[in-house]
Amino acid sequence: DADVTQTPRNRITKTGKRIMLECSQTKGHDRMYWYRQDPGLGLRLIYYSFDVKDINKGEISDGYSVSRQAQAKFSLSLESAIPNQTALYFCATSDRTEGSETQYFGPGTRLLVL
Amino acid sequence: AQSVTQLGSHVSVSEGALVLLRCNYSSSVPPYLFWYVQYPNQGLQLLLKYTSAATLVKGINGFEAEFKKSETSFHLTKPSAHMRDAAEYFCAVSLGNQGGKLIFGQGTELSVKP
Repeated sequence: DADVTQTPRNRITKTGKRIMLECSQTKGHDRMYWYRQDPGLGLRLIYYSFDVKDINKGEISDGYSVSRQAQAKFSLSLESAIPNQTALYFCATSDRTEGSETQYFGPGTRLLVL
Repeated sequence: AQSVTQLGSHVSVSEGALVLLRCNYSSSVPPYLFWYVQYPNQGLQLLLKYTSAATLVKGINGFEAEFKKSETSFHLTKPSAHMRDAAEYFCAVSLGNQGGKLIFGQGTELSVKP
């Protein structure tokens, strides 16, 4: 089984709808991240969490919120989806005890906002 | 501020030819540097990382990268391209004093011609 899973893998929604993307990990890592990928822009950090009680905004947090329900679960919500939030979303994890903190990525969620 | 620049959004090589993907970074402190690969419809997979040990880093699938502080570069190379190397490649920088946060380059799509 995959160490980092994301659900759903694909989602189509309409402008104004609230949606949630979920991420679960079995790696036992304390740090989790949400990125979005857009063509030509690479990956940009939306939110990150260093433990269950520590949540931080990333580079592009406007229009998004997150919830760290447990060490293994980190959800991303779009309160009122808009078309420019159409993107590929990735969850990642890392271990603070590893000096270089390699990040391990889930398979991604492809979101289309109509 | 830290940043990563990947020169060339698309690189095309013939099978068996040298692969060279360029990455330059800016950082005020010694960085950790990473190369990730994204195959079609998949998440990101770590190719290799530099963590201030050897400047020449060997990764998976025959790839390697050399950290050159004087040139602020971390170019990715492979002596002989294979069709299965066709993918998108991302360079990323992380600062140890900011936890595991990664700054990604824009990505380079590698095409391999038969």
